[in-house]
Amino acid sequence: AQSVTQLDSHVSVSEGTPVLLRCNYSSSYSPSLFWYVQHPNKGLQLLLKYTSAATLVKGINGFEAEFKKSETSFHLTKPSAHMSDAAEYFCVVTNQAGTALIFGKGTTLSVSS
Amino acid sequence: GAVVSQHPSRVICKSGTSVKIECRSLDFQATTMFWYRQFPKQSLMLMATSNEGSKATYEQGVEKDKFLINHASLTLSTLTVTSAHPEDSSFYICSARDKGTVSNQPQHFGDGTRLSIL
Repeated sequence: AQSVTQLDSHVSVSEGTPVLLRCNYSSSYSPSLFWYVQHPNKGLQLLLKYTSAATLVKGINGFEAEFKKSETSFHLTKPSAHMSDAAEYFCVVTNQAGTALIFGKGTTLSVSS
Repeated sequence: GAVVSQHPSRVICKSGTSVKIECRSLDFQATTMFWYRQFPKQSLMLMATSNEGSKATYEQGVEKDKFLINHASLTLSTLTVTSAHPEDSSFYICSARDKGTVSNQPQHFGDGTRLSIL
């Protein structure tokens, strides 16, 4: 069965420093992978998606992620954190039929000045 | 584009009340919409998949008589929490996928509804 593991429940960085949010997936097929961000009491906003095209995916707000099949990873990065990046981040994979999303448990990103 | 509007954003009501939450796709048609529940500090849990013109598909452990879903048009799905009790208090989020996209394309999420049952 497919699954997704976010390796860190909480990441803290200083403003202006790089961000790394880690995600590993398990799948018996070629998955579609997404990163979503959720600000408090809000819905989810799509940051970026991987759907079997280029392995390095660029998203909104300076975020990018690299799909590494050999490592079954899809880590999210940003060169320089901004205070407004503080939020909850979810790594998500589709099921094989593409009919449902499977969420990781989320990583809370804190950014200090 | 691809905006999903969810209403209301916040509901506070007495135990025993039934509450209806609406999910609308504003600028696209959605054959399929999804309803999630999110507990504090936790991930989203899929409750059901709503299909236009047919019955919803509920996930295991979700009471279909408790959480009534109607998807009467390509732009509107509703979730009704019937006879709500304090344990139903949660953050409910809907999402929709554009009818014209393939199944591996992302879903678009509403802003959620905070339901508090007193």
